[in-house]
Amino acid sequence: DAGVTQSPTHLIKTRGQQVTLRCSPKSGHDTVSWYQQALGQGPQFIFQYYEEEERQRGNFPDRFSGHQFPNYSSELNVNALLLGDSALYLCASSFVRRLRTDTQYFGPGTRLTVL
Amino acid sequence: AQSVAQPEDQVNVAEGNPLTVKCTYSVSGNPYLFWYVQYPNRGLQFLLKYITGDNLVKGSYGFEAEFNKSQTSFHLKKPSALVSDSALYFCAVRDRGNYQLIWGAGTKLIIKP
Repeated sequence: DAGVTQSPTHLIKTRGQQVTLRCSPKSGHDTVSWYQQALGQGPQFIFQYYEEEERQRGNFPDRFSGHQFPNYSSELNVNALLLGDSALYLCASSFVRRLRTDTQYFGPGTRLTVL
Repeated sequence: AQSVAQPEDQVNVAEGNPLTVKCTYSVSGNPYLFWYVQYPNRGLQFLLKYITGDNLVKGSYGFEAEFNKSQTSFHLKKPSALVSDSALYFCAVRDRGNYQLIWGAGTKLIIKP
């Protein structure tokens, strides 16, 4: 049973560029959440996707956008990269139909470095 | 505002001794509470959660956590620490009317042989 997978593992970009990160959820899961984890800090919620729509958003600017596909996989897009966007980006999947007691399972993350 | 506090940046324990990693929270109502562990250069691994019912929750790898509503705490415990338990531990909480997890800053657990 494959867990949550993310690609790429590492990414180096320059300021002003755009980046796309990808996530495939755990088998049987239908919901994907994205988090940003800066060095030495806890994760910060970016947004959650369910049924191909953004269901909830954290306190992140519009430069951060996402998409969920019919197969439940998801993309995180970040435009106009800033140095402060350097972080580990984590994807988590869950099975929302278990009401709200669903547990979020995390992928290994994508390490984004902005120069 | 919702928040989670992990008051200790680092906890040092000798192998074989009991360990406790502390977590307190500020969330309205009856939240869902979680513990995750993160090994170097890895994602977050689920340990256990409290939804409702018994205040003592048992999880993976011999870990357990005690929910205390009056003290708004959810401390992680293990009766006998292993060197392999050394990692970064995160407490997280979710309001029942919300989808996002709110996270503590993490506690680095070091188990010395």
